Amino acid sequence: NAGVIQTPRHKVTGKGQEATLWCEPISGHSAVFWYRQTIVQGLEFLTYFRNQAPIDDSGMPKERFSAQMPNQSHSTLKIQSTQPQDSAVYLCASSLRVANTGQLYFGEGSKLTVL
Amino acid sequence: QQQVRQSPQSLTVWEGETAILNCSYENSAFDYFPWYQQFPGEGPALLIAIRSVSDKKEDGRFTIFFNKREKKLSLHITDSQPGDSATYFCAALNQGGSAKLIFGEGTKLTVSS
Repeated sequence: NAGVIQTPRHKVTGKGQEATLWCEPISGHSAVFWYRQTIVQGLEFLTYFRNQAPIDDSGMPKERFSAQMPNQSHSTLKIQSTQPQDSAVYLCASSLRVANTGQLYFGEGSKLTVL
Repeated sequence: QQQVRQSPQSLTVWEGETAILNCSYENSAFDYFPWYQQFPGEGPALLIAIRSVSDKKEDGRFTIFFNKREKKLSLHITDSQPGDSATYFCAALNQGGSAKLIFGEGTKLTVSS
């Protein structure tokens, strides 16, 4: 079974450009999560979907960040007008069950560098 | 405000020793505490977890000790191996609430041979 697949693994953008990160969850998993990881802030929750519906986006910066899950096989995280402080590893994770099990399967992450 | 705190930030032990990683939390509603292990260049992976109704969970060389009254827990890694060198994250979840896991800052463990 393939794990969570994230693309691209590395992305470099100039300040003000747009970045789109892709996630393919494990087949059959009903929940998809996005986290951001930095040295300073650690692992920060951004948002999650259950059965493709957005459930909790309390961690998403209100401006410039958006996430979608158009079908059960992929989710996207879009950052508009990127800023240097957006530089981080963006991690996608999926979970098998709808119930809150805390058992997340993470991808390897997309490292975003904003120059 | 950091809801889950870990200490130490980094820890070095010799091969064969027991490594002790500490975690504390603030929210009494948290009732499930997984620990995740992360190697460089990889995403975190679930290592072991405990529910708040238990005070101990063991899985091979990894043991979680949980003190609900003090809102503290610790991960003990016995007979540490160089392959255990990684960053360990304590996380907390309110299973009756949102599904979002709250992570601590992590402890970077180095096992020297």
